[in-house]
Amino acid sequence: GAVVSQHPSWVICKSGTSVKIECRSLDFQATTMFWYRQFPKQSLMLMATSNEGSKATYEQGVEKDKFLINHASLTLSTLTVTSAHPEDSSFYICSARDILGGEQETQYFGPGTRLLVL
Amino acid sequence: GQNIDQPTEMTATEGAIVQINCTYQTSGFNGLFWYQQHAGEAPTFLSYNVLDGLEEKGRFSSFLSRSKGYSYLLLKELQMKDSASYLCAYMDSNYQLIWGAGTKLIIKP
Repeated sequence: GAVVSQHPSWVICKSGTSVKIECRSLDFQATTMFWYRQFPKQSLMLMATSNEGSKATYEQGVEKDKFLINHASLTLSTLTVTSAHPEDSSFYICSARDILGGEQETQYFGPGTRLLVL
Repeated sequence: GQNIDQPTEMTATEGAIVQINCTYQTSGFNGLFWYQQHAGEAPTFLSYNVLDGLEEKGRFSSFLSRSKGYSYLLLKELQMKDSASYLCAYMDSNYQLIWGAGTKLIIKP
């Protein structure tokens, strides 16, 4: 089946630093990738939709200058949390939609990246 | 593969009961999640099981057997709005989520 990877799995950083998280589709191409954050036992909150070769679409309330998204290829999207603060500590999950998925809304989810900002 | 498996698609009738199974293989386990995802929307959290047994929450129940690597989501009194994809995911020893491919549930009147 389709596999999505994320790197790093864990990251601990100091307040004020920037952190980059990678999301890769390993065996398929994805024109669209999604970035979510999740708090414990809660639903995934969509942050932004990333389209290859164009600007990301951010959900209401998500600061685009703080959460920079780059989708430079059909297999890679990156999320950079700029000037991270403790309140940005969360579980960040990406998903990718297969370019051959057709009309079916099939997303493949990554394993998540735990960010802890001290 | 990701060592987690669930049926691709299921069909059920409004008002009936449906059970969606999920099997997994892992050496490290920190719980199993079920999510519901409607087309075009983010997954919503349904349940989390870390101990064996059945947990009931309204019309939805989730069961876990750690020794068998098996979980199911039970939906009762099905409604048309229950038509969605249902994702199971287990959390491994590194606290990362390993996702199933999702089960598309089709409810017929």
